[in-house]
Amino acid sequence: DTEVTQTPKHLVMGMTNKKSLKCEQHMGHRAMYWYKQKAKKPPELMFVYSYEKLSINESVPSRFSPECPNSSLLNLHLHALQPEDSALYLCASSQPRDRGYYEQYFGPGTRLTVT
Amino acid sequence: SQKIEQNSEALNIQEGKTATLTCNYTNYSPAYLQWYRQDPGRGPVFLLLIRENEKEKRKERLKVTFDTTLKQSLFHITASQPADSATYLCALNTGFQKLVFGTGTRLLVSP
Repeated sequence: DTEVTQTPKHLVMGMTNKKSLKCEQHMGHRAMYWYKQKAKKPPELMFVYSYEKLSINESVPSRFSPECPNSSLLNLHLHALQPEDSALYLCASSQPRDRGYYEQYFGPGTRLTVT
Repeated sequence: SQKIEQNSEALNIQEGKTATLTCNYTNYSPAYLQWYRQDPGRGPVFLLLIRENEKEKRKERLKVTFDTTLKQSLFHITASQPADSATYLCALNTGFQKLVFGTGTRLLVSP
């Protein structure tokens, strides 16, 4: 299984809502990532989990809260978002090799709209 | 500042021709460079990785070159097909776990 799955596909939420994005992989990868992608822009790294521990937080606002319950699952909890947070949220995973983590496998993304 | 730039304009070519996409970077010294393909509304798909000590890498109709002196990578698709139409992203490994993407180039292959 070389697939990364993400749910939901689409999400519309108000600025006072709390919601969660979910990501799952069954490739045995030990690193998982959250990216944010705005229209016609490249993906931007938000968080990295390595062996279920948060290893990188790219100065993301606290209204985004990541969680890695186990090596296959990654969540992104959303609270009090702003309209400018509307974007495609991508999850990815990768396997460590000799000197780092290399090719990443991406999910299809969750299209988030904040109203 | 650190930048990874790709052709900003869409690249239009005819089916059967070779598409050549460019990735230029400044203020990085990556050990690895990767190319991904992204279709609209989908996540990027990994295509090729090239190491700093490799000049060229091939996979089927794809070829990547990496010139660390020029700080440039070229990505070639030979015998291009309409199904190759997509956005192509180069990406640099800037740390143990960090991947930074270029601006992307949209490729359109017409029949």
